Amino acid sequence: KAGVTQTPRYLIKTRGQQVTLSCSPISGHRSVSWYQQTPGQGLQFLFEYFSETQRNKGNFPGRFSGRQFSNSRSEMNVSTLELGDSALYLCASSKDSYEQYFGPGTRLTVT
Amino acid sequence: SQQGEEDPQALSIQEGENATMNCSYKTSINNLQWYRQNSGRGLVHLILIRSNEREKHSGRLRVTLDTSKKSSSLLITASRAADTASYFCATGGSNYKLTFGKGTLLTVNP
Repeated sequence: KAGVTQTPRYLIKTRGQQVTLSCSPISGHRSVSWYQQTPGQGLQFLFEYFSETQRNKGNFPGRFSGRQFSNSRSEMNVSTLELGDSALYLCASSKDSYEQYFGPGTRLTVT
Repeated sequence: SQQGEEDPQALSIQEGENATMNCSYKTSINNLQWYRQNSGRGLVHLILIRSNEREKHSGRLRVTLDTSKKSSSLLITASRAADTASYFCATGGSNYKLTFGKGTLLTVNP
């Protein structure tokens, strides 16, 4: 069974731009969660989607948004990028929202 | 905010030795999970223990959970160089999100 895939793997953007990251979950998994990982703050929960509905959201500003499509694929968008948004963005899929299977991440650098 | 706090922050041992990592958390949980991350890559799920369980084994891994003390431990027996990674505990509640600690960096020297 194919694992969670994330595209792109690396991204360099300039302050003020926006970015869209994509995640394809494991086949049959309907829950997709997004996390931000930085050296200072560690792993922080962004949001979770299940059957195209956002079920939970972390404490991030409204610049961070996401969505899930009918095939369970998910995207997250960050608008008006700031230097502090530089991070590894991890997507995880789950069948039951308990055990989560992570993708390799997208490393975003904002200059 | 971090729910789990791992201890120690870093651990260095020799191959063949056992490694023990601890995790403490603050609020009630449905389950506690341990994950491994190799150098900036994605996380790998190791083991999940539910709040009504006290101990669980998976291969060379042993996890304990003490809900009265709000703590868990992960024991890796007969460690190998390939076990070198960061280990995170994550608590799961009823709100479909995992809250991670800052992790323990384990180095296994050959």
